[in-house]
Amino acid sequence: QKEVEQDPGPLSVPEGAIVSLNCTYSNSAFQYFMWYRQYSRKGPELLMYTYSSGNKEDGRFTAQVDKSSKYISLFIRDSQPSDSATYLCAMSAASGAGSYQLTFGKGTKLSVIP
Amino acid sequence: DVKVTQSSRYLVKRTGEKVFLECVQDMDHENMFWYRQDPGLGLRLIYFSYDVKMKEKGDIPEGYSVSREKKERFSLILESASTNQTSMYLCASSRLGAGKQETQYFGPGTRLLVL
Repeated sequence: QKEVEQDPGPLSVPEGAIVSLNCTYSNSAFQYFMWYRQYSRKGPELLMYTYSSGNKEDGRFTAQVDKSSKYISLFIRDSQPSDSATYLCAMSAASGAGSYQLTFGKGTKLSVIP
Repeated sequence: DVKVTQSSRYLVKRTGEKVFLECVQDMDHENMFWYRQDPGLGLRLIYFSYDVKMKEKGDIPEGYSVSREKKERFSLILESASTNQTSMYLCASSRLGAGKQETQYFGPGTRLLVL
């Protein structure tokens, strides 16, 4: 079983829809969870960062972590064509020296159709 | 504003050539990383460095080497380029976390084509 599983899509939604993107993981030591957005032919940029379980909201974006189910989600409300990108989940156990590495999902490609 | 720059956006090289990819960050970050990104395989860590002259192998170091002579600069070297090294190469940097995960900031990427 891979450490992080993410459905690659592609996912196509109409403008204004609510989008749900998800990742599952197997390593129960993961406690830091991130979502990166990557536009075509660009580097990933951090969108959301959460620690441990719970929800975090930033504008139209909500990140949700359920550690008991080893499941994280990113919700996009009122999706816009500018949200069209690949979304990567990333996570780490990070504690102490050597905890620099992130484990990434393979990314979900999202298209928001006007 | 945080900034990670990579020396080239696009590069075309021939099989057997020595290839240098350079990455510079202006955030005084301790950690720097090199990844490659391929369709269906996602981001894979090649090497990382947590200090000047220090390096650690990532998941796929074979065929690559790195150099970090200055804190702000991290170079990826393909000693003898091969066609299976055609890929998107991404550099990232982060602060040294004091017991917590620090955000990694990515550069724009270098698309390398090896013919």
